[in-house]
Amino acid sequence: AQTVTQSQPEMSVQEAETVTLSCTYDTSENNYYLFWYKQPPSRQMILVIRQEAYKQQNATENRFSVNFQKAAKSFSLKISDSQLGDTAMYFCAFNTGFQKLVFGTGTRLLVSP
Amino acid sequence: EAQVTQNPRYLITVTGKKLTVTCSQNMNHEYMSWYRQDPGLGLRQIYYSMNVEVTDKGDVPEGYKVSRKEKRNFPLILESPSPNQTSLYFCASSPLELFTQYFGPGTRLTVL
Repeated sequence: AQTVTQSQPEMSVQEAETVTLSCTYDTSENNYYLFWYKQPPSRQMILVIRQEAYKQQNATENRFSVNFQKAAKSFSLKISDSQLGDTAMYFCAFNTGFQKLVFGTGTRLLVSP
Repeated sequence: EAQVTQNPRYLITVTGKKLTVTCSQNMNHEYMSWYRQDPGLGLRQIYYSMNVEVTDKGDVPEGYKVSRKEKRNFPLILESPSPNQTSLYFCASSPLELFTQYFGPGTRLTVL
């Protein structure tokens, strides 16, 4: 079965600090795509970053970067210079094609002043 | 503006009263999908569609129907809603070449 595990239900960080959210997944496929989505209090699902499994280079989007360890099936999200607007639920997800996007249960991040 | 829209955004209904949640995208995406989000369970896929007239079941299709008669629209139909279908529903779409799904704003459904 394809699964995604986010072992940190909640995390907190102070403004301007760096925080890392963990994600592990399980799949027997070799080609797949990994994602982090952000869900702020508005409930909108916002794509933060994506990573193709065939690419060794870690993806980066401004203050957001990932540490992709394919052999360990690990895909953590690092948020640098945390801002109050980063307060949200963060979901890790992956798919091996279009059949299904598999989500973790989420990590609630609170950024405090 | 490129977007996925859903209507209604909020709905309270009673058991057994048929309802439809509409989903529309203006990005000419081939792929569309429906998810439900429940506390502690993340998002789970209900149905998806690879193109017009092509639909398939996701993980939790029981109690739901979909149709894809036009590329831009992918309505979710609950023929006889029950309280266990109370949830937050998301529609998503994606171009086939990107494997990346973009989500609508969500529909909060309560079935009494």
